[in-house]
Amino acid sequence: SQTIHQWPATLVQPVGSPLSLECTVEGTSNPNLYWYRQAAGRGLQLLFYSVGIGQISSEVPQNLSASRPQDRQFILSSKKLLLSDSGFYLCAWSANLGGSYGYTFGSGTRLTVV
Amino acid sequence: SQKIEQNSEALNIQEGKTATLTCNYTNYSPAYLQWYRQDPGRGPVFLLLIRENEKEKRKERLKVTFDTTLKQSLFHITASQPADSATYLCALTNAGGTSYGKLTFGQGTILTVHP
Repeated sequence: SQTIHQWPATLVQPVGSPLSLECTVEGTSNPNLYWYRQAAGRGLQLLFYSVGIGQISSEVPQNLSASRPQDRQFILSSKKLLLSDSGFYLCAWSANLGGSYGYTFGSGTRLTVV
Repeated sequence: SQKIEQNSEALNIQEGKTATLTCNYTNYSPAYLQWYRQDPGRGPVFLLLIRENEKEKRKERLKVTFDTTLKQSLFHITASQPADSATYLCALTNAGGTSYGKLTFGQGTILTVHP
């Protein structure tokens, strides 16, 4: 069966520090991968998605970047964190773009920038 | 502009009753509409998907309807239980245009089922 792993679960980082969040999927090949952010009490905002290795589409101009160095690995990064980068970051995968079989989400990373 | 609205931020019902959650959208031509459940501090969990040419779909105590004329989906939980308490998210995938294939979420409805 397919599983998705996301780490770390919580992270407290100072303003101006770098960020690296990692997400890996097991049990499937060539998944579509997504990074979402959820601000407190709000819906999910799509940040990046990838349909293949090295292919990244950015949805919102911001202080973050994403990379997909391997088929089932998706990384969210920042060179210098801002206070506004705080939030709940969720990685997800789907069998096809748009998820006609639904999306499977990881357990999320709670990022607090101080 | 495109918008997905879940009309109630919070819904409180008594155990055993049917919970009905509403999702309305504007300026979308959705290929699919999906419903997810999210517990505090966890990632959303996929519940049901309904396609543009389907009117209704059921799964155990869950029922989803989809009216593309009204641009609305209703999500029902029958015989609700306290364990059904969670945030429920509606999400759309557009059939075309610049947002094709990307799943966009509503703000969610917090459901509380009281014993």
